[in-house]
Amino acid sequence: GAVVSQHPSWVICKSGTSVKIECRSLDFQATTMFWYRQFPKQSLMLMATSNEGSKATYEQGVEKDKFLINHASLTLSTLTVTSAHPEDSSFYICSARRRLNTEAFFGQGTRLTVV
Amino acid sequence: AQTVTQSQPEMSVQEAETVTLSCTYDTSENNYYLFWYKQPPSRQMILVIRQEAYKQQNATENRFSVNFQKAAKSFSLKISDSQLGDTAMYFCAFMKTRTYNFNKFYFGSGTKLNVKP
Repeated sequence: GAVVSQHPSWVICKSGTSVKIECRSLDFQATTMFWYRQFPKQSLMLMATSNEGSKATYEQGVEKDKFLINHASLTLSTLTVTSAHPEDSSFYICSARRRLNTEAFFGQGTRLTVV
Repeated sequence: AQTVTQSQPEMSVQEAETVTLSCTYDTSENNYYLFWYKQPPSRQMILVIRQEAYKQQNATENRFSVNFQKAAKSFSLKISDSQLGDTAMYFCAFMKTRTYNFNKFYFGSGTKLNVKP
């Protein structure tokens, strides 16, 4: 089966610093990757969508300069939370999809705590 | 805009019993996909079942089956012979088939299912 690995699983950072989360498709080429944010007991909120080699498309209300997304290769996408603040604390999930495939495969998520 | 509604925030079922989770959606699209994803306590999202709108036959995957009513825009999930491992959040999701917008998912708010021994 298709595996998406997200790293780190959890991270604690100080307010004002930046943190990078990686999302890798281990056994397939992910032409499209998605980044979600999930608050406790809530649904997944799509933050942005990226195609390999293209700029990410951000959802309305998501700050592009704060949440930097890079999809540099067909197996790696990164989300960098810049100048993190406590309100950025959340669970972040990535998912990846092959070209012309409907199913999206999800990473295990990253719990970010900003102190 | 597409909306997905799950009206049951939480449900409980006894082990070995059958439970049905509801999902309705709103769209003007004619062709699309519908999904049920499971998120156990580990928070890893797992695909349970998928339905293509142009197929009239309801999808089934072992103990999981759907009741897809296109005209009513309803997509319920039936879990038979419930097992303790079925305890999880269940999300209904909609996806357009057009190529623009990178075919993103629209998720419902989720239903927390508790399977009791």
